[in-house]
Amino acid sequence: EVQLLESGGGLVQPGGSLRLSCVASGFALSTYAVSWVRQAPGRGLEWVSALSAGTSYYADSVKGRFTISRDNSKNTLYLQMNSLRVDDTAVYYCAKLPFSDILTGYPYFDNWGQGTLVTVSS
Amino acid sequence: SSELTQDPAVSVALGQTVRITCQGDSLRNYYASWYQQKPGQAPVVVIYGKNNRPSGIPDRFSGSHSGRTASLTITGAQAEDEADYYCNSRDNTHVILFGGGTKLTVL
Repeated sequence: EVQLLESGGGLVQPGGSLRLSCVASGFALSTYAVSWVRQAPGRGLEWVSALSAGTSYYADSVKGRFTISRDNSKNTLYLQMNSLRVDDTAVYYCAKLPFSDILTGYPYFDNWGQGTLVTVSS
Repeated sequence: SSELTQDPAVSVALGQTVRITCQGDSLRNYYASWYQQKPGQAPVVVIYGKNNRPSGIPDRFSGSHSGRTASLTITGAQAEDEADYYCNSRDNTHVILFGGGTKLTVL
C-alpha cells in the first residue's frame, strides 16, 4: 500500500525557515515524480514544486525561496522553505505522480499524504 | 493564459446529473484530471486523462474534453458526492496548474 506521511510543519515568523519531510512507503521514491501542493486556509489547491527525472520545478510564487530534494536511502522527500512570508501559510501536501517524468503527457497525482500545517505569523 | 477557471459553486438535486467545468487554453493541448476533496481530508483523484477512473471510484463519475473546456460529470449524484472538486493540468511554462475549485452541494 502506498503511503505518504508529511511532518515538519509548525509556527514560524516571517522571514524564517522550515524544512518539511515526506516519508514514502509502499514504493520507491526514486522511481516516480513527486510534488508538493499547498492549500491556504479556506482556499484552493496550489502547486508548489515537483521533482522529476532529476529536475526540479517550482511555482513562480516560491522560486528562489523553496528547494525540493529527496534522500533515496531514506525514501524521503523534502521541502526546504526559506524567507517565509505570511501568504505561505497553508497545509502542505506531498503527492506522488504515477510516472517518472512530469513532462510526459498530463501530470496528475494518484496518491497524497494527509498534509502538514505551516503557519507564518509574528 | 496559464490559468484554469472553474465555477465557484454548483448544486444538484439528489439523483440528478451535474456537470462541473474547467476552462483554460492549456486544455487544448493537455488533458485535465479531477480531484474530490472533502472537509479535513486530502484530495482524491476521481478522473484522470481522457476519461479514466481509478479503482474504487464509482462509475457515475466521468470526464470529457472539448477545445479549451474539460468537464466532470456525475450521473445520479449521491449525498456523499458533496465536496470540493478541482481540475488540474499543465502548460509549458508553469508545469502544473490547478483550477480554483468548485463546491458541489447535493440538495
